[in-house]
Amino acid sequence: GQQVMQIPQYQHVQEGEDFTTYCNSSTTLSNIQWYKQRPGGHPVFLIQLVKSGEVKKQKRLTFQFGEAKKNSSLHITATQTTDVGTYFCAGPVGAGGTSYGKLTFGQGTILTVHP
Amino acid sequence: EPEVTQTPSHQVTQMGQEVILRCVPISNHLYFYWYRQILGQKVEFLVSFYNNEISEKSEIFDDQFSVERPDGSNFTLKIRSTKLEDSAMYFCASSEGGAGYGYTFGSGTRLTVV
Repeated sequence: GQQVMQIPQYQHVQEGEDFTTYCNSSTTLSNIQWYKQRPGGHPVFLIQLVKSGEVKKQKRLTFQFGEAKKNSSLHITATQTTDVGTYFCAGPVGAGGTSYGKLTFGQGTILTVHP
Repeated sequence: EPEVTQTPSHQVTQMGQEVILRCVPISNHLYFYWYRQILGQKVEFLVSFYNNEISEKSEIFDDQFSVERPDGSNFTLKIRSTKLEDSAMYFCASSEGGAGYGYTFGSGTRLTVV
């Protein structure tokens, strides 16, 4: 079935270093969403990107949606210990292509920040 | 800020027993979901529910699973005869308008089947 692939699976950084996670879909996405899950917590919605080539910023976080609307990235500048967690991308895809009712999540990138 | 509420937070059950996981979605949301996450792994879709019926379900959501919205506020997931491999964190989520809107997740129910 259609999948949303995410790399890397793990990322260990020193506090102050930058971090990027990448998300790819085999099918064009109508939108891409990003979620953060703190250790022991639940996924929390961060942002949605809809337009081709869109770039959105939230403080030190920069989100991009590719021109073909098949890939996306999340970049964190100067990581802090509060950034620790798993970052998931999610897109509306299903076994037959675009799904209007559900999100399929990527595998997530586990970010560890060493102080 | 509105929340999705899930109960219980932790459920331990014997293999073969039935369990019901409960959720109260955000009141003005129209789409409801159950996802599960086996420890350290990805968030897997189980089922979506809209207009009082299932709109999509995954291969995981077999005849042992069912969902209900019995009273207009609660949204429940029932597993009829639990298996060891059903042990996971189960998350309920709701959204205003399906996959074009951000989901709000509950804090989850950790199901342990022994």
